Amino acid sequence: DAGVIQSPRHEVTEMGQEVTLRCKPISGHDYLFWYRQTMMRGLELLIYFNNNVPIDDSGMPEDRFSAKMPNASFSTLKIQPSEPRDSAVYFCASSLVQGTGHSYNEQFFGPGTRLTVL
Amino acid sequence: GEDVEQSLFLSVREGDSSVINCTYTDSSSTYLYWYKQEPGAGLQLLTYIFSNMDMKQDQRLTVLLNKKDKHLSLRIADTQTGDSAIYFCAESIGGGADGLTFGKGTHLIIQP
Repeated sequence: DAGVIQSPRHEVTEMGQEVTLRCKPISGHDYLFWYRQTMMRGLELLIYFNNNVPIDDSGMPEDRFSAKMPNASFSTLKIQPSEPRDSAVYFCASSLVQGTGHSYNEQFFGPGTRLTVL
Repeated sequence: GEDVEQSLFLSVREGDSSVINCTYTDSSSTYLYWYKQEPGAGLQLLTYIFSNMDMKQDQRLTVLLNKKDKHLSLRIADTQTGDSAIYFCAESIGGGADGLTFGKGTHLIIQP
């Protein structure tokens, strides 16, 4: 398996532009997570989905941020309009829980998208 | 709210043992984790421990959990240059079905 795939790996944009980050989870996984990593705040959970349904979006910083999961193999995180303080590395992770018969299941992380907003 | 604290830097000599410490505040944490992040890369799970355990050993890695003090440690025996990375402590309630709360990471620096 190729693991969690994120695109683009690097994104540089100007303040006010719309940014869309993409994630393909590991095939068959039923949970998908979006995290953000900054020097000041470390790694923070933004939102997560179970079977394509958002479960907890309390970590989404503002209405400028939105996330969707239209199907089991694709998710997007959109920032509109982007601001310099959104500059960070955004990670997607996935896990398989349902039907495994046990409660611990590893979250597998993608390589991240480094976003720079000028 | 939930909080996970760890020191930012640890410097050790190659061949020595490294001990990275972490404290957490959420008493309902069920799973505690150690992740490794190499420069420019994602996070790699090193090991995890269930809250009803107090020790777990996996080759060069030993995890100790003091649930009373909410203290977690990771010991890396015979530290090598390849162990140079950022190590994150994390906790969750629901395992793979729950978001992780991370510490800010400990930079492990290996001296020759």
